[in-house]
Amino acid sequence: DAEITQSPRHKITETGRQVTLACHQTWNHNNMFWYRQDLGHGLRLIHYSYGVQDTNKGEVSDGYSVSRSNTEDLPLTLESAASSQTSVYFCASSDPGQDTGELFFGEGSRLTVL
Amino acid sequence: AQRVTQPEKLLSVFKGAPVELKCNYSYSGSPELFWYVQYSRQRLQLLLRHISRESIKGFTADLNKGETSFHLKKPFAQEEDSAMYYCALSGSSGDKLTFGTGTRLAVRP
Repeated sequence: DAEITQSPRHKITETGRQVTLACHQTWNHNNMFWYRQDLGHGLRLIHYSYGVQDTNKGEVSDGYSVSRSNTEDLPLTLESAASSQTSVYFCASSDPGQDTGELFFGEGSRLTVL
Repeated sequence: AQRVTQPEKLLSVFKGAPVELKCNYSYSGSPELFWYVQYSRQRLQLLLRHISRESIKGFTADLNKGETSFHLKKPFAQEEDSAMYYCALSGSSGDKLTFGTGTRLAVRP
């Protein structure tokens, strides 16, 4: 079955370290998104991509970067992790041509920055 | 700027009671409105979208453009409905979503 997977599911790191969260989807969806989930804030958009070599900043993009070298993957990199980036991160994908408009989410990656 | 407001952080009801989770939005244009649900330790999944006008798991939601609302309703809550519910909007099908802050629904036996 086609799916969207994230790794690692849990990570603890130290302030200042570089961290990369992986997101892989097998639906061949053009659209991919990264959100962070925090109590009291809901889900906020970090970065998104509409296709290979396309990336765009979201609402809370400072301190994060993404790259899209193929359709299946959109890795999220924290260049220098900060305690404020402790959160649960969700990747999602969608097919813009699909009637439902649904975004399909991964299971999330819980990141703790000490 | 687009915005989604869910005024209740927590809604606690007894099993069998009616449920209404409120959602208001602001958007210049005609947005697509959605309700997503996140059960404990599971990923977010689509519950309803306003275009389909269907009932899923007994839940319905009607888009009121005059009041810019998209409240989620269920006449008789079940314990398995306990979850986090997010209202979201999009400018076009399959595009990025703007989420509300979420409402946790707790259904007591």
